[in-house]
Amino acid sequence: AQTVTQSQPEMSVQEAETVTLSCTYDTSESDYYLFWYKQPPSRQMILVIRQEAYKQQNATENRFSVNFQKAAKSFSLKISDSQLGDAAMYFCAYRSVYAGNNRKLIWGLGTSLAVNP
Amino acid sequence: KAGVTQTPRYLIKTRGQQVTLSCSPISGHRSVSWYQQTPGQGLQFLFEYFSETQRNKGNFPGRFSGRQFSNSRSEMNVSTLELGDSALYLCASSPDRRLNSPLHFGNGTRLTVT
Repeated sequence: AQTVTQSQPEMSVQEAETVTLSCTYDTSESDYYLFWYKQPPSRQMILVIRQEAYKQQNATENRFSVNFQKAAKSFSLKISDSQLGDAAMYFCAYRSVYAGNNRKLIWGLGTSLAVNP
Repeated sequence: KAGVTQTPRYLIKTRGQQVTLSCSPISGHRSVSWYQQTPGQGLQFLFEYFSETQRNKGNFPGRFSGRQFSNSRSEMNVSTLELGDSALYLCASSPDRRLNSPLHFGNGTRLTVT
């Protein structure tokens, strides 16, 4: 079974600085999807960025980018020019493409990010 | 376009009672998934519905059930509540069942069982 590990329960960053959140996963599959979601105090889970494993190019969405290392099974999220509104819980998630009918996401336990003014 | 709407936002129940949570997906979305979120276990998949049919179910006891209506709205029901059922229940919708379709989440229902 696949697992997702986020080894940093809490992190902090100064406003306007850059921070990197770590995510590793365990799988024997060769193709899959990876996601980063953000959960602010409002509790709504918001998609930040997604990566398809067969694409070697790292995904980028504005200030958010990933470092996808398939061989190392690592999927870290880099937030550039951090803003106060980036403060939230960040979750890494995995979706198999081989699970037949099952589209469920497998989640890490999250990293709480604080942004200091 | 309105987002995913979950009602109620908060619920307090006592052990042994049952509860029904509601989820209205984004207009046009036909897939609805439910997740349970707790501090210790994180997010765990409950089930997914598409076109009024349950497509997948997670590893939860039979006390957890759900359904989807013809307008894609979904409800989940938990019977004989236990203290361990206290959690944030999140509903997510997507337009279809393609693997690259991201999930759009609601604000969740916070259930407290006393």
